[in-house]
Amino acid sequence: AQKVTQAQTEISVVEKEDVTLDCVYETRDTTYYLFWYKQPPSGELVFLIRRNSFDEQNEISGRYSWNFQKSTSSFNFTITASQVVDSAVYFCALSEPNFGNEKLTFGTGTRLTIIP
Amino acid sequence: NAGVTQTPKFRILKIGQSMTLQCTQDMNHNYMYWYRQDPGMGLKLIYYSVGAGITDKGEVPNGYNVSRSTTEDFPLRLELAAPSQTSVYFCASSYIGQADYTFGSGTRLTVV
Repeated sequence: AQKVTQAQTEISVVEKEDVTLDCVYETRDTTYYLFWYKQPPSGELVFLIRRNSFDEQNEISGRYSWNFQKSTSSFNFTITASQVVDSAVYFCALSEPNFGNEKLTFGTGTRLTIIP
Repeated sequence: NAGVTQTPKFRILKIGQSMTLQCTQDMNHNYMYWYRQDPGMGLKLIYYSVGAGITDKGEVPNGYNVSRSTTEDFPLRLELAAPSQTSVYFCASSYIGQADYTFGSGTRLTVV
């Protein structure tokens, strides 16, 4: 069965510090997608990234970067030089589309607070 | 291009009342989903649909019903509201096999 674990419930860092959010997943298939979503205080879900299981290249988008390691079943998210606007709950999620049900399995989220 | 539209955004229900949460998408997506998010938790799947006329239960279906008469609409029905159904509800849609999920903005429901 699919499972996503975000062991860090809450993290607080001072502005401009770097912070890494951990995500560990379990899946029975070789083809799957991993996601990160941001949920700001306003409540909507903001898509950040989708990663195909066949693409292990790390990705960087501005201050955001993602480290995908199949060997450890991890898909960690790093924010460099954090800003107050980064304060939000961040969710990691997993999808196994080849099973024909397309369901997303979410982790329980990490609440990130950036202290000015 | 509206994407996924959910109505209402907020609602307060009394115990035992019923209501329908509306969800409409204009992207011709095959798949649609209903998730609920309880405080401090991730999203859990209530029901999903792989196409018009086809629905199936997710992880937490008790107390809910759905229908999918058209590709665009996927309403979620609460028949006898209970305090345990106080939550934020998200509707989503995707194309089969492409994992390109689009989420609505959510409905915050309180049952008192």
